[in-house]
Amino acid sequence: GESVGLHLPTLSVQEGDNSIINCAYSNSASDYFIWYKQESGKGPQFIIDIRSNMDKRQGQRVTVLLNKTVKHLSLQIAATQPGDSAVYFCAENKSGKAAGNKLTFGGGTRVLVKP
Amino acid sequence: DVKVTQSSRYLVKRTGEKVFLECVQDMDHENMFWYRQDPGLGLRLIYFSYDVKMKEKGDIPEGYSVSREKKERFSLILESASTNQTSMYLCASIGGRENEKLFFGSGTQLSVL
Repeated sequence: GESVGLHLPTLSVQEGDNSIINCAYSNSASDYFIWYKQESGKGPQFIIDIRSNMDKRQGQRVTVLLNKTVKHLSLQIAATQPGDSAVYFCAENKSGKAAGNKLTFGGGTRVLVKP
Repeated sequence: DVKVTQSSRYLVKRTGEKVFLECVQDMDHENMFWYRQDPGLGLRLIYFSYDVKMKEKGDIPEGYSVSREKKERFSLILESASTNQTSMYLCASIGGRENEKLFFGSGTQLSVL
């Protein structure tokens, strides 16, 4: 069936380095993707999103890249800080509509920032 | 900022008990969701509601029911709790100008013994 998945369950990063978190999706009809960050003891928080008519979108220290050809999504964090330690989830809009209300989540990647 | 509040942070219940998980949001959002979160499985949708008294099954509705009597409140009910329902439960809402961004509560860690 259609699914959203992650390549690496855990990513260790040296403080100050850049982090790249990858996500594969298989539903070619999905046209909206979103990244969430979940810190220990908290609910997921929105980081950044991207629509399928874009290849790249930048936020504050974060960049999301979308490669529709290979159905791949990535989140790049620049100059990783200790506060970036968390679990990161990608999600796709299951209905394929930009205003859809059902997201399918990947399994999550834990990012550990080493001092 | 949107606030989604889950009434309990931790719950311990016994097998066979009826369990209520409560969620309240303060932004007049139309849509509310219940997910469960298990290690390695990410978030899986149990039920969602797009209006008062309306509900739809998500991907894993078995063993659960929901209630949406008021717009701001969405309850998840475990009619007869089982050990395989031990999990982290997350409530979320969406609506208004942020129509695609889910806002999550802090979660309820439920242990069924």
